[in-house]
Amino acid sequence: DQQVKQNSPSLSVQEGRISILNCDYTNSMFDYFLWYKKYPAEGPTFLISISSIKDKNEDGRFTVFLNKSAKHLSLHIVPSQPGDSAVYFCAASARTNAGKSTFGDGTTLTVKP
Amino acid sequence: NAGVTQTPKFQVLKTGQSMTLQCAQDMNHEYMSWYRQDPGMGLRLIHYSVGAGITDQGEVPNGYNVSRSTTEDFPLRLLSAAPSQTSVYFCASSPPGQVSGANVLTFGAGSRLTVL
Repeated sequence: DQQVKQNSPSLSVQEGRISILNCDYTNSMFDYFLWYKKYPAEGPTFLISISSIKDKNEDGRFTVFLNKSAKHLSLHIVPSQPGDSAVYFCAASARTNAGKSTFGDGTTLTVKP
Repeated sequence: NAGVTQTPKFQVLKTGQSMTLQCAQDMNHEYMSWYRQDPGMGLRLIHYSVGAGITDQGEVPNGYNVSRSTTEDFPLRLLSAAPSQTSVYFCASSPPGQVSGANVLTFGAGSRLTVL
């Protein structure tokens, strides 16, 4: 029973275009949703987060949208750059169990020059 | 600041051997956790700790032990290695006071374990 799902294993976009990565969740107790970026042979690094009481959070080229009724969130990268090529993980946590994060399987983004 | 340090980076074991993956953080983070990543899969939580002396099981705890005697260290022990434990292991920590905010994890670089 996977509580956080990323249904697209891979995504390829042209440099300068928008990248949209999607994530679905099933647990209504999740309070926070985060995106992490991972390059090969490195640990994941935090990218952006959103609280369940918000529907949008923006940080530079990165925007996360949350649709709580649909239990769906998405990460938009505009404009996409070749350096954005990495694996992106969606993660969720609940305030009542803040030490525990649940991750999706990841989406490999390739940005072509 | 070293952040989260994991050792060793690579290890090959034979079935039945035991070993400890070390994890240390120098950021005074209360929360620490261990994840494993298998090919094509996400990060699955093995064990986690919300403070010294406190540990709990994650999604895939079988075959692993942890202890948290200090804030800085959170070693992961494989009691009797099995080929199914071949994976990349990541240790992570997050700062105190996260109960009111997002649990932002800082990860180590990973330890690649192969069990023959």
